[in-house]
This record gives sequence, structure tokens and C-alpha cells, in this order.
Amino acid sequence: GAGVSQSPSNKVTEKGKDVELRCDPISGHTALYWYRQSLGQGLEFLIYFQGNSAPDKSGLPSDRFSAERTGGSVSTLTIQRTQQEDSAVYLCASSLAYPRYEQYFGPGTRLTVT
Amino acid sequence: DAKTTQPPSMDCAEGRAANLPCNHSTISGNEYVYWYRQIHSQGPQYIIHGLKNNETNEMASLIITEDRKSSTLILPHATLRDTAVYYCIVRVDNAGNMLTFGGGTRLMVKP
Repeated sequence: GAGVSQSPSNKVTEKGKDVELRCDPISGHTALYWYRQSLGQGLEFLIYFQGNSAPDKSGLPSDRFSAERTGGSVSTLTIQRTQQEDSAVYLCASSLAYPRYEQYFGPGTRLTVT
Repeated sequence: DAKTTQPPSMDCAEGRAANLPCNHSTISGNEYVYWYRQIHSQGPQYIIHGLKNNETNEMASLIITEDRKSSTLILPHATLRDTAVYYCIVRVDNAGNMLTFGGGTRLMVKP
């Protein structure tokens, strides 16, 4: 079946511009995660959505980052006033909420801030 | 989550079994052992997970020692496409539990 999809696959933007990254989770997965991964580094958790519950935003690095999930499906991660240190691969993952919790990842969006 | 220790790199000949070890000596009773891998320039991929019994799926087998302090991921017939960084993670199995990857093992499958 269809996996997690993300768009765009690559995004180059100028410092100070806003960007929106999109994630389409696997159908039926109620849990959705955003991570980012800098070159050669591990995963950095950003935000977690579960059904209609309030999202866990504990990983967002600053108030320039926000995310929403409409209709319990598609999610958008927005970065305002981008900085060069925001350059990374942004990964989206989805999972069932019960009884299996393994996360399935999309291909990521490579963001480059110039 | 308990800390895991993996060798930084391993080589394996194509067609042979790849056995990737992981130490998790501080694992607690309600923590599962998960394995993910990340092929270059791709998102992480779930492989397998288990609590205390050995597990097998279409991708791999997971052998967990009786004391649960270590485990081995086995790729029975490694192919060149299995070249990736393999991450062993110990975590409580519930919703909302974000993943944290350590250094992992860089597996190089050679022809």
C-alpha cells in the first residue's frame, strides 16, 4: 500500500523566508511525528500528533516552528523567518496508536536555507 | 529509554548472513527492543521489534538473550541494498513515544 509521502522533496529558500512542508501519513495511522536530521546526525524530535488530542510540541526548537494536522490526516510543518541553522532533512513518520507502534517514515524534505 | 551500544561498523559478504549485535544491559521489564535502518539519503525504515521472545519477519530475525541484556539482528542473506546504518533502540512500547537514534552500526555489504 501507499507509504508516507512528503513534499517537496527538496526546498531551497533564502534566509528570512517562510516555508511549508507537507506530510501525508499512511491511511488509518492516527499518530504522526515530525523529526529533523542534520547531516550525519541522529533524529531530532519536533512534534507529535495523536488523533484529536493536543499535540506534543516539546521538541520544537523555537516559536518560528509550528505544525498543524487537518482532519486527522495531512500535516503541515511551517518554519517562519528561516535561518541557516534550519537547514536539515525534515522527516515525517506515522504509526498506529494501538496495538502496534512502529513508525513508518516518509522520504523526507531536504531544506537548504541560503 | 535504556542506552544501547552497537559496533560502529561491520562488513558482510553479499549472500551471507549479517549478524548485528546490540547491548542493552540496563533494559527494564517493559522496554521493547526495536531495530530500524537508514539507507543513505532515505528516511529510517522499521525492521522488527520484540520483548523477550525471538521474532522473525520477512526482513530479518531478532534474537534476544534470555536475560534481555543483548540482542542480535540477523539478515539471513544480505544483499547490496542492505547497506545502511542499523539502529537498535530500546523503548517503552506505547503511543507518542518518539524515536531517539544513537550511533548505530554502519553495515557495508560487499560483492
